[in-house]
Amino acid sequence: EAGVAQSPRYKIIEKRQSVAFWCNPISGHATLYWYQQILGQGPKLLIQFQNNGVVDDSQLPKDRFSAERLKGVDSTLKIQPAKLEDSAVYLCASSSLDGYTFGSGTRLTVV
Amino acid sequence: TQLLEQSPQFLSIQEGENLTVYCNSSSVFSSLQWYRQEPGEGPVLLVTVVTGGEVKKLKRLTFQFGDARKDSSLHITAAQPGDTGLYLCAGANTNAGKSTFGDGTTLTVKP
Repeated sequence: EAGVAQSPRYKIIEKRQSVAFWCNPISGHATLYWYQQILGQGPKLLIQFQNNGVVDDSQLPKDRFSAERLKGVDSTLKIQPAKLEDSAVYLCASSSLDGYTFGSGTRLTVV
Repeated sequence: TQLLEQSPQFLSIQEGENLTVYCNSSSVFSSLQWYRQEPGEGPVLLVTVVTGGEVKKLKRLTFQFGDARKDSSLHITAAQPGDTGLYLCAGANTNAGKSTFGDGTTLTVKP
């Protein structure tokens, strides 16, 4: 089966600019997650979707981050405006009962 | 907040040696997963353990879930350079629910 697709792979922006990431999960996986992984740390959950509804966004900095999954399939994560500390890898994952399947991530550098 | 502590943070060994890495928490989890992550890629699921005391083997890798379902270990026998990577543990409290990740053990196996 096809894996989790993410784009772009890399993005460099200046602080205060906006950026968007896209994720296409494994077909049929109802649950989709966005994680932030800062260098040297494990992934930290930003938001969890079940179909097109938000299950958990308690760790999402809502003043600058937003995410949507309008049709219950693809998802986008947006940051506006970006800060230097947002530099990280943004990982999308979809899940079955056994565990997560992650995409390759988007590496964001904010300068 | 449920925290997972992984140790050691870094481990560098010679090819052919054995090693054990640990994942500890004060919280009980219904399941625990181990992932391996290579540079520039997302984490890849290695195993899921769900029963206290459970032991699972994957070729040269042996995973154990603690009796109280609060901790886990990963033992690698006769390590090879291909085992190099970041080993992450993650705990979940519901099937297909969100997982909390540790910060990982970075393993380097020198030829």
